[in-house]
Amino acid sequence: GESVGLHLPTLSVQEGDNSIINCAYSNSASDYFIWYKQESGKGPQFIIDIRSNMDKRQGQRVTVLLNKTVKHLSLQIAATQPGDSAVYFCAEIPPSTDKLIFGTGTRLQVFP
Amino acid sequence: EPEVTQTPSHQVTQMGQEVILRCVPISNHLYFYWYRQILGQKVEFLVSFYNNEISEKSEIFDDQFSVERPDGSNFTLKIRSTKLEDSAMYFCASSGDRDYYEQYFGPGTRLTVT
Repeated sequence: GESVGLHLPTLSVQEGDNSIINCAYSNSASDYFIWYKQESGKGPQFIIDIRSNMDKRQGQRVTVLLNKTVKHLSLQIAATQPGDSAVYFCAEIPPSTDKLIFGTGTRLQVFP
Repeated sequence: EPEVTQTPSHQVTQMGQEVILRCVPISNHLYFYWYRQILGQKVEFLVSFYNNEISEKSEIFDDQFSVERPDGSNFTLKIRSTKLEDSAMYFCASSGDRDYYEQYFGPGTRLTVT
C-alpha cells in the first residue's frame, strides 16, 4: 500500500520539530479537503479534513490550513515523532461528487 | 475500532484472466468505493457505489470492470480480462451516512498481471 515514487517530494525533519507539508489542489470549486497518511503496506488513513468555508482546523498535533485564493492546502504536524514517518496525501472532493481526487504525495522522514 | 478489510493481499494473474478483488466495508456504512494506485503514481478513483448501484465511475472503469455487493457485507471488484496495465494496488473504501465524506480505506490488494 505504499506510494513508492522515485519522484515523490521528501521532507526530512528531526524528531520533536514541527513539519509542514504542502499541497496544491486543482479545482477552485472543491468544497471539501482531506489529508491522508499512508504507511508502508497499508491503505490511506484519514488524518484531518476541512471544508471550504473554513481556513483553519486543528486536531490532535495536526493543523490544516486552507488558502482558497491560491488553491493551497497545508498540513502542520507539531512535535513530529518517528511514527509520523509516512507518505502524506492531500485529497479534494469537487462539487456534486463524492470521489476523492488525490494529490501526488509527500514522503515525511523523521530522524531521531 | 471498525475497519475495512480486503482479500487477498496479493493476487498474481496471467493476462486475459478474470480476477475478483474482495472487500468487507465497515458494517454500518452506505457508500462504497474502489480506488487504485499504480506504483509511483497517485491514488485514482475508479467507482463509487450506493444503494446497490454505481453512482459514479471514472474513465478507467470501462466495460472490463464491474462491481457488486452480493450480500450484506461484501463488496467486490471484478476485472474480466486483465491487462498488464491493470497491475496496481487496489483500495476499497467506505463511508457512512453521518460522515458522508470521511472515507475509510482498506489495506489494499496488490494485483500483479504477468
